[in-house]
Amino acid sequence: DSGVTQTPKHLITATGQRVTLRCSPRSGDLSVYWYQQSLDQGLQFLIQYYNGEERAKGNILERFSAQQFPDLHSELNLSSLELGDSALYFCASSVEGQGGDGYTFGSGTRLTVV
Amino acid sequence: AQSVTQLDSQVPVFEEAPVELRCNYSSSVSVYLFWYVQYPNQGLQLLLKYLSGSTLVESINGFEAEFNKSQTSFHLRKPSVHISDTAEYFCAVRGANAGGTSYGKLTFGQGTILTVHP
Repeated sequence: DSGVTQTPKHLITATGQRVTLRCSPRSGDLSVYWYQQSLDQGLQFLIQYYNGEERAKGNILERFSAQQFPDLHSELNLSSLELGDSALYFCASSVEGQGGDGYTFGSGTRLTVV
Repeated sequence: AQSVTQLDSQVPVFEEAPVELRCNYSSSVSVYLFWYVQYPNQGLQLLLKYLSGSTLVESINGFEAEFNKSQTSFHLRKPSVHISDTAEYFCAVRGANAGGTSYGKLTFGQGTILTVHP
């Protein structure tokens, strides 16, 4: 157990729907990162939050949004889902905002859009 | 911005043989470098990292990597692999003084699948 908790582990939903992925960072970590892993794109950085504030943004689609709450857990919202959104979504956390010690990853949420 | 190229998508080896997984990076600024390992159906685990100091870094399970600034490489090596080393390995980079829109972002390579055969 890495200490980063992601729920749910698996999610199957239909095109056009909206889902919410949840991440609880490791105790003491203030920064949360979201990544998408797919066979064709590899690991793609989506977004980073530090202590409740957005810090960095990657190639995150407008249909996707995220936030980090006062208790430091984070949610990634995916809407108007398309078949191509099927992927593994990872959350990672680090103590500080620069990730100099590397991240601690959760085990991921596997999203299947049918 | 940084980029990472892992030169081999798959590396098959026999047990107890040596292995090298190659990683090259591109960056206009100083970098931090990382290797992560992903076992099937699991998240990524940090294997080792280079932040500063000695260019040779080691992990607790026998892997080592050497930062070569002139060749912009960070190859991962192990002198004798085990069946349990079968996994996908990712090289990653971030700017050492990253700020602005790339504040904490790690850029990953496409991964190398290491398969150790008995």
